[in-house]
Amino acid sequence: DTAVSQTPKYLVTQMGNDKSIKCEQNLGHDTMYWYKQDSKKFLKIMFSYNNKELIINETVPNRFSPKSPDKAHLNLHINSLELGDSAVYFCASSRSTSGGYNEQFFGPGTRLTVL
Amino acid sequence: KQEVTQIPAALSVPEGENLVLNCSFTDSAIYNLQWFRQDPGKGLTSLLLIQSSQREQTSGRLNASLDKSSGRSTLYIAASQPGDSATYLCAVGGNTPLVFGKGTRLSVIA
Repeated sequence: DTAVSQTPKYLVTQMGNDKSIKCEQNLGHDTMYWYKQDSKKFLKIMFSYNNKELIINETVPNRFSPKSPDKAHLNLHINSLELGDSAVYFCASSRSTSGGYNEQFFGPGTRLTVL
Repeated sequence: KQEVTQIPAALSVPEGENLVLNCSFTDSAIYNLQWFRQDPGKGLTSLLLIQSSQREQTSGRLNASLDKSSGRSTLYIAASQPGDSATYLCAVGGNTPLVFGKGTRLSVIA
């Protein structure tokens, strides 16, 4: 009964490949996020989706494309992987509210290693 | 642009001590502030959420305070235990998703 789940947990791939990371939440939330944690452990927002629509896209290369088939899923597809993409990627979700962003719940993370 | 700073970056204390972790943010127009715990190689566990209208929240041995006007929050851990060893992250939410500090790495020595 995991609230926010991600697959795979580990992903090792070669430069230039295309890969996807899947995220699912069973909390009934309508907003989902992708965060990146770099080698220095700094967490930074990449994307935010509300009701399957992109509402925030930080300065992320367009090789990264989020896809939300429904409110419970937000997948991250990465094209032409580069060495610098190696990081831990976290999915999160929350309920939306008119006043701002609510408490967020995080998945366990996907450790991506690009060789 | 919101910036979040956490001091100290690392802290080592003997078991049983009370301790305080500090978080400061540059833009006081926040909606909420969350404290998380991250164990090595693991995800984030939400510890406490303080709404902007609140001044503190408590959960067990943890107490988090918020002073929005001065842009500060503290996380107080009472009677620390070796199991409290982890990285503690502060994050503020406003009109954008969470902006994180770089964390404080806590080691509680038995």
